[in-house]
Amino acid sequence: GDSVTQMEGPVTLSEEACLTINCTYTATGYPSLFWYVQYPGEGLQLLLKATKADDKGSNKGFEATYRKETTSFHLEKGSVQVSDSAVYFCALNSGGYQKVTFGTGTKLQVIP
Amino acid sequence: NAGVTQTPKFRILKIGQSMTLQCTQDMNHNYMYWYRQDPGMGLKLIYYSVGAGITDKGEVPNGYNVSRSTTEDFPLRLELAAPSQTSVYFCASSNLGARETQYFGPGTRLLVL
Repeated sequence: GDSVTQMEGPVTLSEEACLTINCTYTATGYPSLFWYVQYPGEGLQLLLKATKADDKGSNKGFEATYRKETTSFHLEKGSVQVSDSAVYFCALNSGGYQKVTFGTGTKLQVIP
Repeated sequence: NAGVTQTPKFRILKIGQSMTLQCTQDMNHNYMYWYRQDPGMGLKLIYYSVGAGITDKGEVPNGYNVSRSTTEDFPLRLELAAPSQTSVYFCASSNLGARETQYFGPGTRLLVL
C-alpha cells in the first residue's frame, strides 16, 4: 500500500538558516504529492503540491520537487524565520477521491 | 469566509458516554473527511463523504458513525467512548476529492477518561 516516510523531528534551526525536510514515498502509479503545515493550535493547511514528475511546488519561500526516480519530495527553504515554526506533513494521493496518506510530521522550531 | 468550522474545541468524556463532533463547511465542497491525529502519528482517515447522502469507511472507522444530510454538514458520532478514542479530530473538505487541496478545520481535542 501507499506510505510516506519523513525525517524525524524535532528540527531546531536558527533564524535565516537553510531548511531541508526529507520525504520519500511508496505508491502505485503517479501520485499527487503535498506538503501541509500545521501551526500551533490550528488545523493543517496546504503549503504546496506537485502533480507530476519534475514538477516544482512553491509557496512562501518553500520549494519541493517531485522526483520520481528517487521517489522523493523534499521540502526546502533558503532562509527560515521564527514564524515558520510549525509541524510539516508530507502526503500523497495515488488516485481516487477518498484517501490521502500522511507522513508522521516533522516539527520545526526556529529560534531567533 | 469561515471555511471549515468544528465544534467543540475540547471535550472530556467518560468511558461509555457518547457525543457528536460537529463539522460545517461553507465552500460548497462535495467531498468531506474526518481524520484523527494521534501523537507522533500521521493523520488517519475515519470516514469520508462524496456528497449529501453518501458516506463510506476510511482506515479506522470502528467506534464511529457519520451522516451527511446536507452538503454543508458532516457530523461524527462517537458511541460508547473508549480511552483509545482520545485524540485530536480534524474535519476537512475538498472541491475535487483527495487529489486536490483539502481544507481543514481547527480540530477537536477529545479526552476519554
